[in-house]
Amino acid sequence: GAGVSQSPSNKVTEKGKDVELRCDPISGHTALYWYRQSLGQGLEFLIYFQGNSAPDKSGLPSDRFSAERTGGSVSTLTIQRTQQEDSAVYLCASSLDGGGGAEQYFGPGTRLTVT
Amino acid sequence: ILNVEQSPQSLHVQEGDSTNFTCSFPSSNFYALHWYRWETAKSPEALFVMTLNGDEKKKGRISATLNTKEGYSYLYIKGSQPEDSATYLCAFFVDSSYKLIFGSGTRLLVRP
Repeated sequence: GAGVSQSPSNKVTEKGKDVELRCDPISGHTALYWYRQSLGQGLEFLIYFQGNSAPDKSGLPSDRFSAERTGGSVSTLTIQRTQQEDSAVYLCASSLDGGGGAEQYFGPGTRLTVT
Repeated sequence: ILNVEQSPQSLHVQEGDSTNFTCSFPSSNFYALHWYRWETAKSPEALFVMTLNGDEKKKGRISATLNTKEGYSYLYIKGSQPEDSATYLCAFFVDSSYKLIFGSGTRLLVRP
């Protein structure tokens, strides 16, 4: 079946512009996660959704970052007034439920470059 | 601050060698430990999710063990093949916030 998809695959933007990254999880997966990997760094947790709700937004790096999920499916991660330090690969993952025993299925990522 | 450590950072082995890497994590408030394989230009792929102390899991030539009391997990690859070349990530699940804290990974290169 279809896996997790993300769009765009690559995005180059100028500093100060807003960007929107999209994630389509596997159908039926109630949990959705956003991560990012900056150059030379490990995978960093950003936010988790159970259904349409995000119980904990403390992983978002700054108030320029926001995320929403609608219909228990598609999620968008929005970065306002992008900065060069936002350059990273942004990965989305979904799982059947939000419990720790459920493996996560990752999308191919969006590579964001802020010039 | 929760910290997940992996060692070694990188490993080069010959085809046919067996190898293992280590993941260290907080021993308190354990809920689950995940292992993922991340090949270049692909998405991370789940290998194992381990929840019980003493758990041993196996998938083909790859196996993993878990010691929650002392806070470590080992990943073993028997008879490494070039297609095993990838970065192997472990991640500690934080029950209170539903987040996975990833280690920085072990990069494995298997030479033919």
